[in-house]
Amino acid sequence: DTGVSQDPRHKITKRGQNVTFRCDPISEHNRLYWYRQTLGQGPEFLTYFQNEAQLEKSRLLSDRFSAERPKGSFSTLEIQRTEQGDSAMYLCASRPEQETQYFGPGTRLLVL
Amino acid sequence: GEDVEQSLFLSVREGDSSVINCTYTDSSSTYLYWYKQEPGAGLQLLTYIFSNMDMKQDQRLTVLLNKKDKHLSLRIADTQTGDSAIYFCAESISNDYKLSFGAGTTVTVRA
Repeated sequence: DTGVSQDPRHKITKRGQNVTFRCDPISEHNRLYWYRQTLGQGPEFLTYFQNEAQLEKSRLLSDRFSAERPKGSFSTLEIQRTEQGDSAMYLCASRPEQETQYFGPGTRLLVL
Repeated sequence: GEDVEQSLFLSVREGDSSVINCTYTDSSSTYLYWYKQEPGAGLQLLTYIFSNMDMKQDQRLTVLLNKKDKHLSLRIADTQTGDSAIYFCAESISNDYKLSFGAGTTVTVRA
């Protein structure tokens, strides 16, 4: 399967714990995006990488959130000291040049 | 601003046409998209249209764009039960840029 993959698909954690999600983009897609989707809403942009460079971060990305793409391939999104308001679906998308974004299946986070 | 608005629900009978409407506010939007999301799944790109086009047709899907009114619609011909899903309208100022989504329209197809 050569689609965007995300791991884990589901995560349940207690408030205050740290969590890390991984996204593997489609091979050779140099652009990678993270979005957050809460129940009943559309996805909201979090951050964007071109290769390993993080080019934009949304104001939604508080200092508890950090994203990396160290080798320009897979990316990780870490949330420190999770809060109940962080419960959402975290979506990753990738795209090559001159094309549209392809989304992964998402990681659903529940903070208790 | 980058507000995208959609009606929340649509119920349609199997075999009829569905029309989902969307309005956006950012006049610099150059790409407009329709995505489909089934329960528990990620987003599937259905189609997109560049702002210099008025219409795009792809099999059962027809996209109409009224740039003056900033209105986008998606028509699904011969709607099937497998078309039941949430449909998101999204816009971007370039194909390289982040997407701004509406809240989604839940389409229910009844027999």
